Amino acid sequence: DGGITQSPKYLFRKEGQNVTLSCEQNLNHDAMYWYRQDPGQGLRLIYYSQIVNDFQKGDIAEGYSVSREKKESFPLTVTSAQKNPTAFYLCASSINRGRGNREKLFFGSGTQLSVL
Amino acid sequence: GDSVTQMEGPVTLSEEAFLTINCTYTATGYPSLFWYVQYPGEGLQLLLKATKADDKGSNKGFEATYRKETTSFHLEKGSVQVSDSAVYFCALSDLAGSTLGRLYFGRGTQLTVWP
Repeated sequence: DGGITQSPKYLFRKEGQNVTLSCEQNLNHDAMYWYRQDPGQGLRLIYYSQIVNDFQKGDIAEGYSVSREKKESFPLTVTSAQKNPTAFYLCASSINRGRGNREKLFFGSGTQLSVL
Repeated sequence: GDSVTQMEGPVTLSEEAFLTINCTYTATGYPSLFWYVQYPGEGLQLLLKATKADDKGSNKGFEATYRKETTSFHLEKGSVQVSDSAVYFCALSDLAGSTLGRLYFGRGTQLTVWP
């Protein structure tokens, strides 16, 4: 079955440590996204990528980095510069052409990141 | 800028009750509107959408009508079930001047349905 796989489901970060969240999709989608979800604040866009080897900052990119070396993969690194990383992180993808397709996001099941 | 405002929760209902979750939006262009649903421990799933004024999106007994005059997209269901318990997000996508259909999400409304 096609879908988006995020791993791990739970992740713990020590002070000063960088951690990487994995996101893999086999939907052949061009566009991929990372959102951060905090209780009562909805979803905020961190980074997005429309095609391989290209990505743009979203609304809250500081303290995060991404890469898009393969169409299927869009890992997110939470760096030590992100001072408040505890949140639920959601990866999504979409077809990057045609109105109505780009806007239909397929989400992974998320990674809960906590600080030790 | 573009934004979505949805009613704060939590909303608690008995089974078979009528549901309304209010959503209003601000957009500079001609947005498409969406409702996404998030079940516990999962990612979001598209519930329904409407791409132009007066369109009605519907799915699984849920409905929402795109009202341009009131800039609203309220979610309704005539008879909720325990299995409808989830967080509901209103969202908009405004493609005016953009090559990417990025979504702007509301804060989410937690719905709990009791048997």
